[in-house]
Amino acid sequence: DVKVTQSSRYLVKRTGEKVFLECVQDMDHENMFWYRQDPGLGLRLIYFSYDVKMKEKGDIPEGYSVSREKKERFSLILESASTNQTSMYLCASTTHPGTAYGYTFGSGTRLTVV
Amino acid sequence: QQQVKQSPQSLIVQKGGISIINCAYENTAFDYFPWYQQFPGKGPALLIAIRPDVSEKKEGRFTISFNKSAKQFSLHIMDSQPGDSATYFCAAGNTGGGNKLTFGTGTQLKVEL
Repeated sequence: DVKVTQSSRYLVKRTGEKVFLECVQDMDHENMFWYRQDPGLGLRLIYFSYDVKMKEKGDIPEGYSVSREKKERFSLILESASTNQTSMYLCASTTHPGTAYGYTFGSGTRLTVV
Repeated sequence: QQQVKQSPQSLIVQKGGISIINCAYENTAFDYFPWYQQFPGKGPALLIAIRPDVSEKKEGRFTISFNKSAKQFSLHIMDSQPGDSATYFCAAGNTGGGNKLTFGTGTQLKVEL
C-alpha cells in the first residue's frame, strides 16, 4: 500500500514562528498536494507539485510556501504563523486522480497557532 | 470560490436506512468525480468514483448517481451501518488539465442503531 507520512500529528506554535510541515510518500508518485481542512469549508488546496522543484499555487496560497527538493518529500512552510492558520493540514499524493487509486492522504497534522 | 457545493452538512440515519449526499458542480471541464470517506483521526480515503460517460456506478452498498445535464452527482449508501459513520467528501477534477481535485465542504454522517 502507498503510504503518505506526515511528520507530526499535533503541533503547537507561536504567532510569528516559521513552521515546517513535512510529508513523505513511498510510491514514487509525481504529484503531491497540500490541503487544509476546516469545519464547514471542506478541503482547500494550498499548493501542489507535479515534479521535483516544481510547484503551483492552489486556491489559498497566501501565507504559505512549499519546497520539493526530492520526489518523495513535499514540505509546507508557514513563513510567519498566524492564528488564522490554525487548522488540520493534509498532504496527498497520486500518480493521477483518474486511476483506481485516486489520492492517498496522510493522517494529517493538526496545527494550533497561539 | 466554491466550485463544488455539497449538502447536507450533517446527516443522521437509522441503521438499515439509505443515506443520500448531494453535490453540484459548476465547471463543465470536470470529468472525474470521486467520493472520499474520512474517519476521525485519519486522512480521507477514496471510496468510489465515476466519470461522466455513465449515469450510475455501484460498488457494494455504495452507489454514485450522475446527472450531467444538471451538473449534479450524489452518493447513496444502502443499508447504512454504524460503521459507515464518517465524514464524506465529494470532489471533482479535470483529468486532462492537471491532477488537482476540488473538494466539497463535507457531510458528517451518523448512523444510529
